[in-house]
Amino acid sequence: DTGVSQDPRHKITKRGQNVTFRCDPISEHNRLYWYRQTLGQGPEFLTYFQNEAQLEKSRLLSDRFSAERPKGSFSTLEIQRTEQGDSAMYLCASSAGSRDTGELFFGEGSRLTVL
Amino acid sequence: GESVGLHLPTLSVQEGDNSIINCAYSNSASDYFIWYKQESGKGPQFIIDIRSNMDKRQGQRVTVLLNKTVKHLSLQIAATQPGDSAVYFCAERGSGNQFYFGTGTSLTVIP
Repeated sequence: DTGVSQDPRHKITKRGQNVTFRCDPISEHNRLYWYRQTLGQGPEFLTYFQNEAQLEKSRLLSDRFSAERPKGSFSTLEIQRTEQGDSAMYLCASSAGSRDTGELFFGEGSRLTVL
Repeated sequence: GESVGLHLPTLSVQEGDNSIINCAYSNSASDYFIWYKQESGKGPQFIIDIRSNMDKRQGQRVTVLLNKTVKHLSLQIAATQPGDSAVYFCAERGSGNQFYFGTGTSLTVIP
């Protein structure tokens, strides 16, 4: 399978714990996005990378959230001191980065439940 | 931030009928739009896209219409099938490269 893969698919944690999600994009894609989705809502933009550079961050991304893409390939999203309000599906997407198209290809998501 | 909204949260159609899902967007500078389909427990799946210099684009059984005057986007699905049951989102590309998604419309196809 050469699509976007995310790990883990499900994570249950206690409030106050740290969690980390990993995303492996489609190999030739230079842009990588993180979104958060809660039940009944559309995906909310969190941040995106072009290669290893983090170019945009949403104001939704508090200082407890940090994302990295150290070698311009896979990315990690870490949430420190989790809160119940962090419970959501965290979606990763990648794109080839063309201004003409730029279609996002999504992974299946990592569902976080904070108890 | 951007505001992308959908007119109807739910839509039920009979199998074989055509479906129309509407979407309003707020940023007149958005240059690219995408419709996504999301099935339960899965990530959004690309359906069709359209650039702002076009007003219509057709795919296989799907057509997207863009009306920039009223900032409105629609997705038409011909001969709707049970497999089309899902939540549909429109997304617009903002001034950077981020995409903003609407709330979604849940489409139910009645056999």
